[in-house]
Amino acid sequence: AQTVTQSQPEMSVQEAETVTLSCTYDTSENNYYLFWYKQPPSRQMILVIRQEAYKQQNATENRFSVNFQKAAKSFSLKISDSQLGDTAMYFCALSRAGGTSYGKLTFGQGTILTVHP
Amino acid sequence: SAVISQKPSRDICQRGTSLTIQCQVDSQVTMMFWYRQQPGQSLTLIATANQGSEATYESGFVIDKFPISRPNLTFSTLTVSNMSPEDSSIYLCSLAGAYQETQYFGPGTRLLVL
Repeated sequence: AQTVTQSQPEMSVQEAETVTLSCTYDTSENNYYLFWYKQPPSRQMILVIRQEAYKQQNATENRFSVNFQKAAKSFSLKISDSQLGDTAMYFCALSRAGGTSYGKLTFGQGTILTVHP
Repeated sequence: SAVISQKPSRDICQRGTSLTIQCQVDSQVTMMFWYRQQPGQSLTLIATANQGSEATYESGFVIDKFPISRPNLTFSTLTVSNMSPEDSSIYLCSLAGAYQETQYFGPGTRLLVL
């Protein structure tokens, strides 16, 4: 079974500063994908960033980057130059890359991020 | 990415009734899924909607309670049957992206059962 753990129920940051959200996971698979999703008050799930487990290079999308530590099964999200629009619930998620569970997402508990002006 | 729509966007239902939620995608996709998000909680996978065959349900979810149809590669429905207040949740459909490694989500259906 796969598990995803987000140990920070809530985080806050000042506008323009940097914040890091933590995520650890457990899987017996060697090939898998890791994701960070953002859920604003509208409840729409928005993909923030994706990491393939076979890639050593950390994924980056504009102000968002990850620190992927495969051996430690850690996948943290760094948000630089935080903006008010970044205020949302952030979910870390894991999916297998093959087999019968292909494409199924296992989510962490979520971290509520509040960006203060 | 594909455009995903869900109907209804929200509904208030009476205990004991059933509600069917529709998910429409603007392109053909292989993998479609249904998730539930209970109030203040994370998302939990209900089932994989398989085109032309029965859905594959996760542990804790059964076909009698959550029947799913998928008549083609662009459309699926989820029915929440014999509802109780505990079924009050957001229900989201999702699909796997072009290379099946990324999932995109519909806008969700917010259900309140009285």
